[in-house]
Amino acid sequence: DQQVKQNSPSLSVQEGRISILNCDYTNSMFDYFLWYKKYPAEGPTFLISISSIKDKNEDGRFTVFLNKSAKHLSLHIVPSQPGDSAVYFCAASHDSGYSTLTFGKGTMLLVSP
Amino acid sequence: DAGVIQSPRHEVTEMGQEVTLRCKPISGHDYLFWYRQTMMRGLELLIYFNNNVPIDDSGMPEDRFSAKMPNASFSTLKIQPSEPRDSAVYFCASSPTGWTNEKLFFGSGTQLSVL
Repeated sequence: DQQVKQNSPSLSVQEGRISILNCDYTNSMFDYFLWYKKYPAEGPTFLISISSIKDKNEDGRFTVFLNKSAKHLSLHIVPSQPGDSAVYFCAASHDSGYSTLTFGKGTMLLVSP
Repeated sequence: DAGVIQSPRHEVTEMGQEVTLRCKPISGHDYLFWYRQTMMRGLELLIYFNNNVPIDDSGMPEDRFSAKMPNASFSTLKIQPSEPRDSAVYFCASSPTGWTNEKLFFGSGTQLSVL
């Protein structure tokens, strides 16, 4: 039973355009959401997060949007760069602790020049 | 700091053999997590430690899996006997507090192949 779902295994975008990665969740108890980025042969690294009391959080080219009523969040990357090519994991926690962190299966983003 | 260090990077073994994965967390981090990544199930938490004490091992798939943290700078994940379905990437991660107000740092992982 996947509580965090990333339904698109892969996404291809041209350099300079917007990348939108989507994530859906089923557990209404989730109160903190994170995105991780993973390059091949490396571990995931933290990218951006959002608390359930907010609907948007921005950090440079990265913006995360949270729609609690739809149990949906999205990561926008503008403008996309070839170095953004990686696997992106959506994750959620229901007590703001890593012990309850649940990950999606990831979306592979390919940004072409 | 060198970050979370895992060894070996790759492990190929035969079914029935014992496998030991190693992890050195970031100094000063009180929480250590072991994850497993597979295509089917994605990233799953296996077990985590707080101040070297195992807190929750409910994610450990079977009794064949065991983990220890004898001191603050070293942890092992052991599989005995190993089976082909154990083939996956195993990640170790550490965090100062265990709460999302602090970052979770992952190692580069151990790619395990059980033949």
